[in-house]
Amino acid sequence: GAVVSQHPSRVICKSGTSVKIECRSLDFQATTMFWYRQFPKKSLMLMATSNEGSKATYEQGVEKDKFLINHASLTLSTLTVTSAHPEDSSFYICSASLDSSGNTIYFGEGSWLTVV
Amino acid sequence: GESVGLHLPTLSVQEGDNSIINCAYSNSASDYFIWYKQESGKGPQFIIDIRSNMDKRQGQRVTVLLNKTVKHLSLQIAATQPGDSAVYFCAEWDQAGTALIFGKGTTLSVSS
Repeated sequence: GAVVSQHPSRVICKSGTSVKIECRSLDFQATTMFWYRQFPKKSLMLMATSNEGSKATYEQGVEKDKFLINHASLTLSTLTVTSAHPEDSSFYICSASLDSSGNTIYFGEGSWLTVV
Repeated sequence: GESVGLHLPTLSVQEGDNSIINCAYSNSASDYFIWYKQESGKGPQFIIDIRSNMDKRQGQRVTVLLNKTVKHLSLQIAATQPGDSAVYFCAEWDQAGTALIFGKGTTLSVSS
């Protein structure tokens, strides 16, 4: 089946630095990728929708200058948390849409970010 | 606004019992729903989906029921096993059909 890989799976960074999380579709081309954020014991909150070759569409309340999303190819989207602060610590999950209808979605394993 | 929610945050069952996890959605225009299972520290795992032109769909040990009249979705797990312990989310496509919106989740605990 389709596989979506995230890297790194865990990262600790210092406050004020930036960290990049990669999301790759390993055996299919994904025209659309989604980035979610999940706090402990909470649901997944959609942050942004990323389309290859165009600017990401951010959900209300998500700072686009804080969470930079790049979707440079059909198999790679990156999320960069800029000037990270402890409150940015969270579980970040990406997903990729398999087909043009967007209904078939596969999720990555998530990336734990801890900002100290 | 549109939202997908669950009736109960936790559900505890004995091994071998049948489990029913419920979800209420608010967007009557939604036409595609998915159930996901999430184990601790991992990404969501697809379980089963259903489109609005159906009211029931069965998989292996799982059944999803859709009641569009009351905007209610349920996931039934037969002969629940300890390995089924996880958080279960229902999700729907948003009104624009461009993003998958998750409900709050139900934690299923299965005891032996």
